[in-house]
Amino acid sequence: AQSVTQLGSHVSVSEGALVLLRCNYSSSVPPYLFWYVQYPNQGLQLLLKYTTGATLVKGINGFEAEFKKSETSFHLTKPSAHMSDAAEYFCAVSEGMDTGRRALTFGSGTRLQVQP
Amino acid sequence: DAMVIQNPRYQVTQFGKPVTLSCSQTLNHNVMYWYQQKSSQAPKLLFHYYDKDFNNEADTPDNFQSRRPNTSFCFLDIRSPGLGDAAMYLCATSSRGDQPQHFGDGTRLSIL
Repeated sequence: AQSVTQLGSHVSVSEGALVLLRCNYSSSVPPYLFWYVQYPNQGLQLLLKYTTGATLVKGINGFEAEFKKSETSFHLTKPSAHMSDAAEYFCAVSEGMDTGRRALTFGSGTRLQVQP
Repeated sequence: DAMVIQNPRYQVTQFGKPVTLSCSQTLNHNVMYWYQQKSSQAPKLLFHYYDKDFNNEADTPDNFQSRRPNTSFCFLDIRSPGLGDAAMYLCATSSRGDQPQHFGDGTRLSIL
């Protein structure tokens, strides 16, 4: 069974500071990993994904994440936070198999606040 | 632009009065999902369709039903809404089960 743990339900950074949102997963097979962002009263938007290949993945809005198999982690980073980055961020995992019946498992989310 | 559209954005219904939420997609994706999201929580999967094949999560209440009459449309029916069913309901699609999901903006359901 797959699961996702996001450490820190709330993270606060100053504008221009490094953003680091943590995600650890468990999976019995090589995982596919995703980060989504959700702004108030909107659906989830895909930031980036890891399936196979390069372990450092670049996404939209300047975010990137690194898949570390030995640490079972997929932390999200951004070098310099903008006010517009304030949102809820969800890490998600699927077990990388086209079973057609396996959906994503989401972490509990991290709310990012950006202070001026 | 190809997209996932949910109507209405806000829905108010009375306790016990059936309500239907709708979702349409122009992505021609095989898989469609319904999630329930309560305040400050992760989305919780209710069920999903892989083509016409319906997959219900084990803990989805019987009060929740779904219909997918064709590839483009999917409906969520709540037969007798209770106060605990007030939430944001999100529809999503994907080309297959392990691929990124594309979300609509959700329908926020309130129960009076």
